[in-house]
Amino acid sequence: GAVVSQHPSWVICKSGTSVKIECRSLDFQATTMFWYRQFPKQSLMLMATSNEGSKATYEQGVEKDKFLINHASLTLSTLTVTSAHPEDSSFYICSAREYPRNSPLHFGNGTRLTVT
Amino acid sequence: DQQVKQNSPSLSVQEGRISILNCDYTNSMFDYFLWYKKYPAEGPTFLISISSIKDKNEDGRFTVFLNKSAKHLSLHIVPSQPGDSAVYFCAASEGNSGNTPLVFGKGTRLSVIA
Repeated sequence: GAVVSQHPSWVICKSGTSVKIECRSLDFQATTMFWYRQFPKQSLMLMATSNEGSKATYEQGVEKDKFLINHASLTLSTLTVTSAHPEDSSFYICSAREYPRNSPLHFGNGTRLTVT
Repeated sequence: DQQVKQNSPSLSVQEGRISILNCDYTNSMFDYFLWYKKYPAEGPTFLISISSIKDKNEDGRFTVFLNKSAKHLSLHIVPSQPGDSAVYFCAASEGNSGNTPLVFGKGTRLSVIA
């Protein structure tokens, strides 16, 4: 089945620094990838839709200058949390769907970000 | 405003019995529904889906039922096994094309007791 790989699985950084999270589709091409965030005991909230070769689409309330998304190829999307603050500490998960087939979204294993 | 609701945060079931997880939605444009299983510190794993043209889909021990008029779906697991213990998320979308995101409920934590 489709595999989505996310790296790193966890990261601890100091307040004010930037962190890059990578999301790769390993055995399929994905023109679109989705970035979700999950706070403890909460649902997975869509942050943005990453589109290969064009700008990402951000959900309301998500700062595009803080959460930079780059989707440079059909198998890689990156999320960079810039000038991280403790309130950015969360579980970030990417997902992708095989293209052009219609199939369920497949998720990476997530990245636990802790900002100290 | 939550478009997908899972009103039971937790459920405990004995091994071998049936587990029934419920989900309600408010957006009448949703026509594709999925259930995901999630372990701590891992991404969700797809379990089973159903489109609005059906009212039931079965895959092994897992069956999803959809009641469009009530905007309600449920996941039945029978027989339940201890390995089924996890958080189950209900998700919905408008269509299932490549650029369609999913809207998730808050999840239900299932504990299957041996």
